[in-house]
Amino acid sequence: DGGITQSPKYLFRKEGQNVTLSCEQNLNHDAMYWYRQDPGQGLRLIYYSQIVNDFQKGDIAEGYSVSREKKESFPLTVTSAQKNPTAFYLCATWGRVGTEAFFGQGTRLTVV
Amino acid sequence: GEDVEQSLFLSVREGDSSVINCTYTDSSSTYLYWYKQEPGAGLQLLTYIFSNMDMKQDQRLTVLLNKKDKHLSLRIADTQTGDSAIYFCAESTPGSSASKIIFGSGTRLSIRP
Repeated sequence: DGGITQSPKYLFRKEGQNVTLSCEQNLNHDAMYWYRQDPGQGLRLIYYSQIVNDFQKGDIAEGYSVSREKKESFPLTVTSAQKNPTAFYLCATWGRVGTEAFFGQGTRLTVV
Repeated sequence: GEDVEQSLFLSVREGDSSVINCTYTDSSSTYLYWYKQEPGAGLQLLTYIFSNMDMKQDQRLTVLLNKKDKHLSLRIADTQTGDSAIYFCAESTPGSSASKIIFGSGTRLSIRP
């Protein structure tokens, strides 16, 4: 069954720590995206990647980093520089324009 | 830059029709989407429309596009309790640089008995 998987579903971070959110897909899609969702603010684009070993900053990239070493994987690291990381993070893949974007089930990150 | 706007809340009575509205700014938008998000989950595509279409119907869902006013709407007929969710409008525009999907802030639909 093709799909996109995010893990973990819930993640707790202490102040000053880096944490990495996993996103894996087996849809053979080139494009992968990370969004942040806060209540009442919809989805904001953090980073996206159109091809392996290449990625671009979205609208709110500060305090985040990504890598794209494999087509299937696009992990997101929330660094200690991100001052307000508590949010719901969504990963998506997209085959080509006009087709469906597939979303993972999300990771809820909480700073404790 | 591109922008997609929606009202944040809509409340309808069970059995009535729901109409969720969206406006967008990019006149070159090619594809316009409606996504549904249930609590604690990712987004699922409900339907999409090409910019050269005025209307698309799929069972209880009707999408209307007014390209002149850059206005998109989603009508849900005979609204049921299972329709309670957040509905996102989105647009994408292919271009020479990387294509991306721009989402609105989402409309939370609640159903009254």
